[in-house]
Order: sequence, then C-alpha cells, then structure tokens
Amino acid sequence: EDQVTQSPEALRLQEGESSSLNCSYTVSGLRGLFWYRQDPGKGPEFLFTLYSAGEEKEKERLKATLTKKESFLHITAPKPEDSATYLCAVQGGSGGYNKLIFGAGTRLAVHP
Amino acid sequence: GAVVSQHPSRVICKSGTSVKIECRSLDFQATTMFWYRQFPKKSLMLMATSNEGSKATYEQGVEKDKFLINHASLTLSTLTVTSAHPEDSSFYICSAGNAFGEGDSPLHFGNGTRLTVT
Repeated sequence: EDQVTQSPEALRLQEGESSSLNCSYTVSGLRGLFWYRQDPGKGPEFLFTLYSAGEEKEKERLKATLTKKESFLHITAPKPEDSATYLCAVQGGSGGYNKLIFGAGTRLAVHP
Repeated sequence: GAVVSQHPSRVICKSGTSVKIECRSLDFQATTMFWYRQFPKKSLMLMATSNEGSKATYEQGVEKDKFLINHASLTLSTLTVTSAHPEDSSFYICSAGNAFGEGDSPLHFGNGTRLTVT
C-alpha cells in the first residue's frame, strides 16, 4: 500500500532560520512526488514536482530534493509569509494518472 | 494557469438536510475530478474519483449513498452530502486533472468548502 509520512508535524522557526521538512514514502512504482502549500481555509497550492532520485527544484526560498525513499523541502532564510502547512504527495503506479496520496503535512510557523 | 472553482466556500446546515457542493474547472476540460475530505490538522483523505459520464469510484469506507457524486460535464462535478449529521462536518476539497495530463501538477485544487452541520 502506498504511504507518505511527513516530519516534523509542526515546526516553529525564527525569521531567517533555515530548516528542512521531510517526506518519507513507500510506493509501488513512483510516477511523481509533489509538494504543495496550504494556507488555512484554502485548497493546496502547487509548488514542485519531482520525478526521479537526484532531481532538485527551486523556487525563491524553497528547494525540493528527492531520493529513492524520501524528499526534503529546504527553506532558506524563511520569512513570516512562508508560514503555512506544507503537504507532500506521491503518485504511484497502482493508481490512476491523477490519483495522489497525501502525507499529513508539516505546519510551519515563521516568527519575526 | 489552470483554475478550479469550488462553491460554496462555507455552508451551515441543520442535521438531516442535504448539501450540494459544486466543483468547476474554469479553463480546461477535466474528465476526472477528485473529492477529498480534510479534518483539522490532518491530511487530505481521498473520498472518491468522479468520472465524466460514468459512475464515481469510491474509496474504501466512504458511503456512496451518503456522498452522491455527479459529473455531468467535462467542467462540472457535484458532491451532495445527503441527510447530513454533525460528524459530516469537515473541509471538503475538490480537484481536477487536465484531460491530457499536461503540466507539472497532475491536479489543480479548489479552495475548499467548510461544511458545518448543526
């Protein structure tokens, strides 16, 4: 059964304090791993797609990396506006093209 | 970019009544839409896959007679929570995939519907 585990569950950072969020996964035939940002009371907002081990993608203060067992979302010098829940999801070979399995998310709070 | 519109954003209803939630893909055709449910501080739980012109596929443990899904066109899917009870109170989110699987994200999400059953 495809499974996604994110850690930590919650993370509190000071503005400018860099850190990383972890997403561990088990999936039969990974088609893609996805990172989303979710603000309270909103739907997930797409950040990155990673397809193969060794791949990296960057967007502003965020960088996502992928290995065969996990993905990291690195946040460099975060700002208060980066506060949100970050969701990781995988698309496996057993599901349909658009079927994603989500982790529980990491709630990030960045304080000035 | 692709946009998915979900309506209403919030709804409060009395126990025993039914509530309909709409999900529209505004600028692309979606042969498949997905309905998720999210509890506070929890992940998105897939409820069902909505297929245009055919019956929805429900995940294990989801009551298909309680959560009626209709996908009448390539741009509209509806979720009706029938005979709602307080335990149905939750955040419901729809998503739609591009019909041709293009783009970097396989799914585009609506902004969710907060359902409160009193």
